[in-house]
Order: sequence, then structure tokens, then C-alpha cells
Amino acid sequence: EAQVTQNPRYLITVTGKKLTVTCSQNMNHEYMSWYRQDPGLGLRQIYYSMNVEVTDKGDVPEGYKVSRKEKRNFPLILESPSPNQTSLYFCASSPLGRNTIYFGEGSWLTVV
Amino acid sequence: AQRVTQPEKLLSVFKGAPVELKCNYSYSGSPELFWYVQYSRQRLQLLLRHISRESIKGFTADLNKGETSFHLKKPFAQEEDSAMYYCALRAGETSGSRLTFGEGTQLTVNP
Repeated sequence: EAQVTQNPRYLITVTGKKLTVTCSQNMNHEYMSWYRQDPGLGLRQIYYSMNVEVTDKGDVPEGYKVSRKEKRNFPLILESPSPNQTSLYFCASSPLGRNTIYFGEGSWLTVV
Repeated sequence: AQRVTQPEKLLSVFKGAPVELKCNYSYSGSPELFWYVQYSRQRLQLLLRHISRESIKGFTADLNKGETSFHLKKPFAQEEDSAMYYCALRAGETSGSRLTFGEGTQLTVNP
């Protein structure tokens, strides 16, 4: 089954404690992306990647890092999380071309 | 830069009533427009894309380039349509370009 898998789905952490949210897709997609969803603000893109070792900033990259060492994985790294990064995070992927973008189930992150 | 605006954060209708969720965009090129639906904070699911011109779950949306709009319509709303709806624009001519989302409209269909 084609899918985008995120882990963890739910996490409560403390300010400053580094964490990584993993994202994996099994569809051999070139394009992968991270979004955060906040009430009243919709989804805002954090980072995206067009292929292995190619990443670029989205609209709200501050406080986040990503890497794309393998085609299937696109982890989101919060080096020093802060409470304003409390949000629902979605990973997405798509093949190149004007194709459907597939979303993961989301990761609820709370930073206290 | 592209922008998507959904002017209504909340929309409430009764079952069987028509519903229209508004979406306006700004982009100087040739955009690709989508509607995504999210049920109870689940993953986003693609509902419609303008280039397919199809009707999904009774919903339709027409791209109006003159008015730069892509409103989502359904003639008879059902309770199971209650969800968050996002309009999105993909601007780039190159493959796999980023999506720009609107703020979302929470639709509630009352019995």
C-alpha cells in the first residue's frame, strides 16, 4: 500500500531537548515536504526537497532542519524546540510532474 | 509570490442545503488549484483538482481566472461533509512544486 509514514504521531517534550520526526514514503517519490498546521493559519511549508541531497526552505524554516540522504526518508529535526513550535506537523510526498501530493497522518508535537 | 485566501474560517449549514466554500488566489502565472479535505484532524486527502474537472462526493469547483477564484460547491450538503477544507495552489511549472494553502474553512453540516 502506497503511504507516507510519520513517527512519532504524538510527542510531548521539553524546551531545548532535541527531537527528530521521521517521514518515510514507499512510492519512490522525488519530492518531499514538511508542513505545520496551526489554527487560523492553515498549513505552512517548513522545508521541501526535490530529490536526494537537494533541500530548500519553505515559508517558516526557522528553528528546523531537514536532511535527505535517502530518497524515501525526509526527517524533520528540531535542534532546540521551543513552545511556539507546538503544532501539528505533516509530511508530504509526490512524484515529479503535476501529480497528486500524498500526506502523512500527522505528528502532534507539544513543547512545554 | 502566490497567495490563497479563504475568507470564511467557519461555515455552518443545514443538511440538504447548498454549500459554497470560497477560495481566491493571487498568482501571475498559470496556477494549478486543489481542494483538500481533512476529517477530524486526520491526514489531508485530495478532494478535487481543477485540471481533472471531476465531481467527488458531489462537490465541484470551477477555476475562474477572471475572478481568480476556485470556489467549492455542493448542491445538497450531508452531515458527513463536516470537515476542514483547504484550498491550495501549486504555482511552479516545474515538477513537484510546492503547495500554498489557504487558511482553511471549517464546515459544519447540522442535522
